Amino acid sequence: QKEVEQNSGPLSVPEGAIASLNCTYSDRVSQSFFWYRQYSGKSPELIMSIYSNGDKEDGRFTAQLNKASQYVSLLIRDSQPSDSATYLCAVKLYSGGGADGLTFGKGTHLIIQP
Amino acid sequence: DAGVIQSPRHEVTEMGQEVTLRCKPISGHNSLFWYRQTMMRGLELLIYFNNNVPIDDSGMPEDRFSAKMPNASFSTLKIQPSEPRDSAVYFCASSLRQSSYNEQFFGPGTRLTVL
Repeated sequence: QKEVEQNSGPLSVPEGAIASLNCTYSDRVSQSFFWYRQYSGKSPELIMSIYSNGDKEDGRFTAQLNKASQYVSLLIRDSQPSDSATYLCAVKLYSGGGADGLTFGKGTHLIIQP
Repeated sequence: DAGVIQSPRHEVTEMGQEVTLRCKPISGHNSLFWYRQTMMRGLELLIYFNNNVPIDDSGMPEDRFSAKMPNASFSTLKIQPSEPRDSAVYFCASSLRQSSYNEQFFGPGTRLTVL
Protein backbone atom coordinates (compact mmCIF):
# COMPACT_ATOMS: atom_id res chain seq x y z
CA GLN A 1 0.00 0.00 0.00
CA LYS A 2 1.30 3.43 -0.92
CA GLU A 3 2.06 5.56 2.10
CA VAL A 4 0.28 8.73 1.00
CA GLU A 5 -2.30 8.50 -1.76
CA GLN A 6 -4.05 11.17 -3.76
CA ASN A 7 -6.18 11.07 -6.87
CA SER A 8 -3.99 12.55 -9.60
CA GLY A 9 -6.92 14.21 -11.38
CA PRO A 10 -7.32 16.46 -13.17
CA LEU A 11 -10.14 17.69 -10.97
CA SER A 12 -12.17 20.29 -12.83
CA VAL A 13 -14.31 22.69 -10.78
CA PRO A 14 -16.30 25.72 -12.00
CA GLU A 15 -15.29 29.13 -10.71
CA GLY A 16 -17.03 30.02 -7.47
CA ALA A 17 -17.71 26.41 -6.48
CA ILE A 18 -16.13 24.38 -3.70
CA ALA A 19 -13.11 22.26 -4.64
CA SER A 20 -12.61 19.15 -2.51
CA LEU A 21 -9.24 17.43 -2.46
CA ASN A 22 -8.66 14.15 -0.65
CA CYS A 23 -5.71 12.24 0.73
CA THR A 24 -5.29 8.95 2.58
CA TYR A 25 -2.23 7.77 4.48
CA SER A 26 -1.05 4.42 5.73
CA ASP A 27 0.56 5.10 9.11
CA ARG A 28 -1.86 5.27 12.05
CA VAL A 29 0.76 6.94 14.22
CA SER A 30 1.18 9.94 11.91
CA GLN A 31 0.79 13.21 13.77
CA SER A 32 1.24 16.11 11.35
CA PHE A 33 -0.43 16.77 8.03
CA PHE A 34 0.17 19.46 5.45
CA TRP A 35 -1.24 20.75 2.20
CA TYR A 36 1.09 22.37 -0.30
CA ARG A 37 0.16 24.15 -3.51
CA GLN A 38 2.51 23.89 -6.46
CA TYR A 39 2.17 25.92 -9.63
CA SER A 40 3.78 24.52 -12.76
CA GLY A 41 7.52 25.12 -12.69
CA LYS A 42 7.44 26.50 -9.16
CA SER A 43 8.24 25.17 -5.70
CA PRO A 44 5.68 23.78 -3.23
CA GLU A 45 4.04 26.48 -1.14
CA LEU A 46 2.63 25.60 2.28
CA ILE A 47 -1.04 26.55 2.60
CA MET A 48 -2.39 24.52 5.53
CA SER A 49 -1.16 22.47 8.49
CA ILE A 50 -3.32 20.31 10.74
CA TYR A 51 -2.66 17.80 13.51
CA SER A 52 -5.93 17.49 15.45
CA ASN A 53 -9.05 15.68 14.35
CA GLY A 54 -11.68 17.98 12.93
CA ASP A 55 -11.61 21.09 10.79
CA LYS A 56 -9.16 23.94 10.56
CA GLU A 57 -10.14 27.02 8.58
CA ASP A 58 -7.92 29.72 7.08
CA GLY A 59 -9.64 32.13 4.73
CA ARG A 60 -11.11 30.21 1.81
CA PHE A 61 -9.27 27.04 2.82
CA THR A 62 -10.46 24.36 5.25
CA ALA A 63 -8.41 21.31 6.16
CA GLN A 64 -10.22 18.31 7.60
CA LEU A 65 -8.55 15.46 9.47
CA ASN A 66 -9.97 12.10 10.48
CA LYS A 67 -7.27 10.00 12.08
CA ALA A 68 -9.53 6.99 12.62
CA SER A 69 -10.13 6.78 8.88
CA GLN A 70 -6.56 7.93 8.06
CA TYR A 71 -7.99 10.62 5.85
CA VAL A 72 -7.19 14.29 5.36
CA SER A 73 -8.91 16.66 2.96
CA LEU A 74 -8.70 20.23 1.74
CA LEU A 75 -11.71 22.31 0.79
CA ILE A 76 -11.34 25.49 -1.25
CA ARG A 77 -14.39 27.73 -1.14
CA ASP A 78 -15.26 30.25 -3.83
CA SER A 79 -12.70 28.71 -6.18
CA GLN A 80 -10.78 31.15 -8.36
CA PRO A 81 -8.85 30.53 -11.58
CA SER A 82 -5.70 31.39 -9.62
CA ASP A 83 -6.34 28.27 -7.49
CA SER A 84 -5.55 26.11 -10.52
CA ALA A 85 -2.43 24.20 -9.48
CA THR A 86 -1.27 20.83 -8.18
CA TYR A 87 -2.07 20.26 -4.52
CA LEU A 88 0.31 18.04 -2.60
CA CYS A 89 -0.68 16.24 0.57
CA ALA A 90 2.24 15.68 2.95
CA VAL A 91 2.38 13.58 6.07
CA LYS A 92 4.98 13.33 8.75
CA LEU A 93 4.93 9.55 8.92
CA TYR A 94 6.08 8.10 12.18
CA SER A 95 7.56 5.09 10.45
CA GLY A 96 8.94 6.66 7.31
CA GLY A 97 10.84 9.64 5.99
CA GLY A 98 12.84 9.91 9.16
CA ALA A 99 11.56 11.51 12.31
CA ASP A 100 11.06 14.90 10.71
CA GLY A 101 10.93 14.32 6.98
CA LEU A 102 7.69 14.54 5.06
CA THR A 103 6.21 11.88 2.81
CA PHE A 104 4.31 13.40 -0.08
CA GLY A 105 1.50 12.16 -2.22
CA LYS A 106 1.93 12.64 -5.94
CA GLY A 107 -0.56 15.47 -5.97
CA THR A 108 -3.95 16.32 -7.42
CA HIS A 109 -4.08 18.58 -10.44
CA LEU A 110 -6.90 21.09 -9.89
CA ILE A 111 -8.37 23.14 -12.73
CA ILE A 112 -10.80 25.98 -11.98
CA GLN A 113 -12.90 26.71 -15.03
CA PRO A 114 -13.85 30.39 -15.52
CA ASP B 1 12.33 38.20 5.09
CA ALA B 2 14.38 36.13 2.69
CA GLY B 3 13.12 32.64 2.08
CA VAL B 4 15.20 29.57 1.34
CA ILE B 5 17.80 30.38 -1.28
CA GLN B 6 19.09 27.82 -3.76
CA SER B 7 21.71 27.99 -6.46
CA PRO B 8 22.06 27.46 -9.29
CA ARG B 9 18.46 27.61 -10.49
CA HIS B 10 19.28 25.60 -13.58
CA GLU B 11 22.17 23.24 -14.24
CA VAL B 12 22.91 21.37 -17.43
CA THR B 13 25.84 19.00 -17.34
CA GLU B 14 27.19 15.95 -19.07
CA MET B 15 27.15 12.45 -17.70
CA GLY B 16 30.12 11.78 -15.47
CA GLN B 17 30.57 15.37 -14.33
CA GLU B 18 30.38 16.50 -10.73
CA VAL B 19 27.38 18.59 -9.75
CA THR B 20 27.10 20.71 -6.61
CA LEU B 21 23.81 22.22 -5.50
CA ARG B 22 23.71 24.87 -2.80
CA CYS B 23 21.17 25.95 -0.22
CA LYS B 24 20.85 28.71 2.34
CA PRO B 25 18.01 28.04 4.82
CA ILE B 26 15.74 30.65 6.36
CA SER B 27 17.63 32.50 9.08
CA GLY B 28 16.92 30.96 12.48
CA HIS B 29 15.71 27.64 11.13
CA ASN B 30 17.56 24.64 12.51
CA SER B 31 16.34 21.81 10.27
CA LEU B 32 17.23 21.49 6.60
CA PHE B 33 15.87 19.02 4.11
CA TRP B 34 16.86 18.01 0.58
CA TYR B 35 14.10 16.66 -1.68
CA ARG B 36 14.04 15.51 -5.28
CA GLN B 37 11.02 15.75 -7.58
CA THR B 38 10.43 13.77 -10.75
CA MET B 39 7.30 13.04 -12.72
CA MET B 40 7.58 9.33 -12.07
CA ARG B 41 8.35 9.34 -8.35
CA GLY B 42 6.98 12.65 -7.18
CA LEU B 43 8.64 14.51 -4.31
CA GLU B 44 11.02 12.37 -2.27
CA LEU B 45 13.10 13.14 0.80
CA LEU B 46 16.81 12.55 0.25
CA ILE B 47 18.41 13.64 3.52
CA TYR B 48 17.83 16.03 6.38
CA PHE B 49 19.87 17.79 9.03
CA ASN B 50 19.03 18.98 12.52
CA ASN B 51 21.40 21.61 13.94
CA ASN B 52 23.82 20.92 11.07
CA VAL B 53 23.99 17.18 11.87
CA PRO B 54 22.77 14.65 9.28
CA ILE B 55 19.93 12.68 10.86
CA ASP B 56 18.53 10.47 8.13
CA ASP B 57 20.13 9.86 4.73
CA SER B 58 18.16 6.73 3.90
CA GLY B 59 16.63 8.49 0.92
CA MET B 60 19.96 9.16 -0.75
CA PRO B 61 19.79 6.93 -3.82
CA GLU B 62 23.43 5.92 -4.14
CA ASP B 63 26.91 6.59 -2.91
CA ARG B 64 27.27 9.04 -5.76
CA PHE B 65 25.16 11.42 -3.69
CA SER B 66 26.54 13.23 -0.68
CA ALA B 67 25.38 16.18 1.40
CA LYS B 68 27.05 18.45 3.90
CA MET B 69 26.02 21.24 6.19
CA PRO B 70 29.17 22.95 7.46
CA ASN B 71 27.25 25.67 9.29
CA ALA B 72 23.73 26.82 10.09
CA SER B 73 23.40 28.92 6.95
CA PHE B 74 24.75 26.68 4.20
CA SER B 75 24.32 23.20 2.81
CA THR B 76 25.46 21.41 -0.32
CA LEU B 77 24.23 18.38 -2.21
CA LYS B 78 26.84 16.83 -4.46
CA ILE B 79 26.46 14.23 -7.18
CA GLN B 80 29.65 12.62 -8.44
CA PRO B 81 29.60 11.24 -11.07
CA SER B 82 26.28 12.42 -12.43
CA GLU B 83 24.05 10.22 -14.60
CA PRO B 84 21.10 11.03 -16.87
CA ARG B 85 18.68 9.41 -14.38
CA ASP B 86 19.68 12.09 -11.85
CA SER B 87 17.82 14.65 -13.95
CA ALA B 88 15.16 16.14 -11.68
CA VAL B 89 14.26 19.23 -9.70
CA TYR B 90 16.09 19.34 -6.38
CA PHE B 91 14.46 21.30 -3.59
CA CYS B 92 15.88 22.43 -0.31
CA ALA B 93 13.48 23.16 2.57
CA SER B 94 14.00 24.44 6.09
CA SER B 95 12.00 24.47 9.30
CA LEU B 96 12.16 25.46 12.94
CA ARG B 97 12.19 22.15 14.73
CA GLN B 98 10.70 23.49 17.95
CA SER B 99 7.61 24.91 16.25
CA SER B 100 4.25 23.23 16.79
CA TYR B 101 3.94 21.75 13.34
CA ASN B 102 7.57 21.76 12.26
CA GLU B 103 6.37 23.37 9.03
CA GLN B 104 8.78 23.15 6.13
CA PHE B 105 9.33 25.97 3.64
CA PHE B 106 10.75 25.25 0.25
CA GLY B 107 13.30 27.05 -1.85
CA PRO B 108 12.80 27.70 -5.58
CA GLY B 109 14.60 24.50 -6.56
CA THR B 110 17.43 23.61 -8.91
CA ARG B 111 16.44 22.03 -12.19
CA LEU B 112 19.20 19.57 -13.08
CA THR B 113 19.59 18.10 -16.54
CA VAL B 114 22.27 15.47 -17.08
CA LEU B 115 22.93 14.76 -20.75
